[in-house]
Amino acid sequence: AQKITQTQPGMFVQEKEAVTLDCTYDTSDQSYGLFWYKQPSSGEMIFLIYQGSYDEQNATEGRYSLNFQKARKSANLVISASQLGDSAMYFCATVTGGGNKLTFGTGTQLKVEL
Amino acid sequence: NAGVTQTPKFRVLKTGQSMTLLCAQDMNHEYMYWYRQDPGMGLRLIHYSVGEGTTAKGEVPDGYNVSRLKKQNFLLGLESAAPSQTSVYFCASSSGGAYETQYFGPGTRLLVL
Repeated sequence: AQKITQTQPGMFVQEKEAVTLDCTYDTSDQSYGLFWYKQPSSGEMIFLIYQGSYDEQNATEGRYSLNFQKARKSANLVISASQLGDSAMYFCATVTGGGNKLTFGTGTQLKVEL
Repeated sequence: NAGVTQTPKFRVLKTGQSMTLLCAQDMNHEYMYWYRQDPGMGLRLIHYSVGEGTTAKGEVPDGYNVSRLKKQNFLLGLESAAPSQTSVYFCASSSGGAYETQYFGPGTRLLVL
């Protein structure tokens, strides 16, 4: 079974600084995808970024980038120039093989401070 | 454009009661999913559908049933609610399988007493 591990239950960062949220995954499949979602206090799940296992470049979307280290099976999310609105829960998720199911990690609560 | 909507937003049930949660999407997506989210845990997949008239079990299907009679709607039923089903329920849809971005509804908060 797939497993996603997010070891940081909570993180603090000062406004305008960069922050890295850790995610490791456990799969023996060669083909897989990695997602990051944001969940603000309002509760909705917002897609941030996607990385495919065969993508050679690290994915980037605006201030979000994914530090993909395939050999280490890690897919860390980097948020540059943090803003107060980035305060939220962040979930890493993976899909492997046949690709009908996402498996989520337990999340990291990020708090951006002035 | 409404995206994914869920009805109701909040519900309180007594143990043993039944209810149906409705998910609707207006993006013409083939795939639809039901998840539950509990404190300290990520989202867990309950059931999913790969197209109208199809359903399949996810990670935690026990105590739930689903139906996809119309492409735009995905219903989640609790036949006999239990306190362990107290949770926040999210519906999602995508144009393809789980390699495609899933778009989530706002969630339904369910409390079973």
